[in-house]
Amino acid sequence: QKEVEQDPGPLSVPEGAIVSLNCTYSNSAFQYFMWYRQYSRKGPELLMYTYSSGNKEDGRFTAQVDKSSKYISLFIRDSQPSDSATYLCAMSTMDSNYQLIWGAGTKLIIKP
Amino acid sequence: SQTIHQWPATLVQPVGSPLSLECTVEGTSNPNLYWYRQAAGRGLQLLFYSVGIGQISSEVPQNLSASRPQDRQFILSSKKLLLSDSGFYLCAWSGTPGKRQETQYFGPGTRLLVL
Repeated sequence: QKEVEQDPGPLSVPEGAIVSLNCTYSNSAFQYFMWYRQYSRKGPELLMYTYSSGNKEDGRFTAQVDKSSKYISLFIRDSQPSDSATYLCAMSTMDSNYQLIWGAGTKLIIKP
Repeated sequence: SQTIHQWPATLVQPVGSPLSLECTVEGTSNPNLYWYRQAAGRGLQLLFYSVGIGQISSEVPQNLSASRPQDRQFILSSKKLLLSDSGFYLCAWSGTPGKRQETQYFGPGTRLLVL
């Protein structure tokens, strides 16, 4: 079993829809949770960073962590074609020596 | 502001040839540096990380090596490339003052095709 599971998709939704992207994990010691967005043939860029449980909102993006269920989510409101990309989750523990454990990424397609 | 550079952007190499990929970071000092490989449709595989000059930790045994000759320079090398070395190579750094070390920032990547 992988430490972090993420549905690879592709997930195709119409423009304007609310998108929900998810990762599950097995290590209860994970404390730091990140979402990265990666456009085709580009390096990943950090979207959201969350410590421990709870929600964090930034514009159209909301990151949610449920440590009791070992489940994290990224919600995108009013999705745009420019949101079409691969979304990767990553997480780490307090004593991770700065190493991240990555999901495989979900490819998202927003149809105009 | 901080900037990370990688070159070349694309590389096509024959099997058995050597490899040298370079990464440099500007606008920060004493960053943590990372080399990742991403196979098509896959997540990121950490290859090496470095917390300082000359300090390299390897995560995956293979025919690749890394060096950090200067504070903001990270080099990925191979003496003899294998077909399985094909992939998208990403350099990343972390260590923004005031931010957690876990937040990593990536370069544009090098696409390597070994034939």
